[in-house]
Amino acid sequence: DIQMTQSPSFLSASVGDRVTINCKASQNINKYLNWYQQKLGEAPKLLIYNTNNLQTGIPSRFSGSGSGTDYTLTISSLQPEDVATYFCLQHSSRPFTFGSGTKLEIK
Amino acid sequence: EVQLVESGGGLVQPGRSMKLSCAASGFTFSSFPMAWVRQAPTKGLEWVATISTSGGSTYYRDSVKGRFTISRDNAKSTLYLQMNSLRSEDTATYYCTRGGYYSGPDYWGQGVMVTVSS
Repeated sequence: DIQMTQSPSFLSASVGDRVTINCKASQNINKYLNWYQQKLGEAPKLLIYNTNNLQTGIPSRFSGSGSGTDYTLTISSLQPEDVATYFCLQHSSRPFTFGSGTKLEIK
Repeated sequence: EVQLVESGGGLVQPGRSMKLSCAASGFTFSSFPMAWVRQAPTKGLEWVATISTSGGSTYYRDSVKGRFTISRDNAKSTLYLQMNSLRSEDTATYYCTRGGYYSGPDYWGQGVMVTVSS
């Protein structure tokens, strides 16, 4: 199975800050990497698919980048409503595997 | 609006069975592969099983092969997960997701809790 190492596990930042979350795969996943947001008590929501494609309806302050084994989710200007847990998913090979999650809070 | 609503969870003894359902609405259910994903308490997310649009092709993670069966009824727009020989390590919140056969899911349900304990 492909292992996904996500960092950091916890992040505290101020409103307006630029925030980055990273996922590292144990092998090349050819950009088959999605990012999800899960707010407390809600279903996970797809933010970014295939590394850098913004899902419909997601604010443009969210972006993704990466290649090979290293991928990044960036929030360009943190907003209060961005408080959530974020996790990555590789869908390059089965079983699809997830990062362990990053809990983001407002400082 | 896409909606996925899971049901059928609860407390079950080790070795017993339980069947989860997921009622889908807001899209053409028969056109999308579907999957189940779970998250054990204080643990990460785990892919459980996935099924093709027709139901003719399925995939399972190793730890549930031979015990779990994913199925679908396209006429009822409903996804199922039959879980047999349940173990304590199957305790988790189970999420129904749209997609997940060739790519990651785009919609998730709210999840249903399954607790395996005597």
